[in-house]
Amino acid sequence: AQSVTQLDSHVSVSEGTPVLLRCNYSSSYSPSLFWYVQHPNKGLQLLLKYTSAATLVKGINGFEAEFKKSETSFHLTKPSAHMSDAAEYFCVVSAESSASKIIFGSGTRLSIRP
Amino acid sequence: NAGVTQTPKFQVLKTGQSMTLQCAQDMNHEYMSWYRQDPGMGLRLIHYSVGAGITDQGEVPNGYNVSRSTTEDFPLRLLSAAPSQTSVYFCASSYDVEGQLQYFGPGTRLTVT
Repeated sequence: AQSVTQLDSHVSVSEGTPVLLRCNYSSSYSPSLFWYVQHPNKGLQLLLKYTSAATLVKGINGFEAEFKKSETSFHLTKPSAHMSDAAEYFCVVSAESSASKIIFGSGTRLSIRP
Repeated sequence: NAGVTQTPKFQVLKTGQSMTLQCAQDMNHEYMSWYRQDPGMGLRLIHYSVGAGITDQGEVPNGYNVSRSTTEDFPLRLLSAAPSQTSVYFCASSYDVEGQLQYFGPGTRLTVT
């Protein structure tokens, strides 16, 4: 069985400060992990993905995530937040090579303070 | 490319009514899927298809039907709408038949009264 937990439902940071969105997963198999972003009233857009290559994955808009097998984590980071980063972020795990086994986390809403 | 398109954007139904949510993609993707998004629950898979003529159930299929007669189109049918089906519905497609890299449509916001 596999699952994904986003540890914070809401994160608020000041513009220009670092962003950390936390994601833990569990899986019986080697997982593929993804981060998606959803801006208000929009569809989801892929930020980055990990598929067993380099453990530090760089995505779009300055985001990156590090796969840590020992901690079963895949936290999303950005060195300096921008107002346009305000959105909902979803961590996704896919570990059983099946189209029906893609599990979305419950989401983290990121707010940016001016 | 238009990507993944969904119609309508908004819909209000009365309990017991039926309707079809449309989804189309122009990327020649084999994999297509439908999700519903509810507050605090992320996205949950309703049905998916790995190619024309092939569909299967996801996590929450009850009350929904799908068909896949062409590669491009994957409509979702609500047979008899219930208030519990009030949600935002997203269609997605992927070149990967395991659905691991998905492109999402803009969503349909459905309210059932």
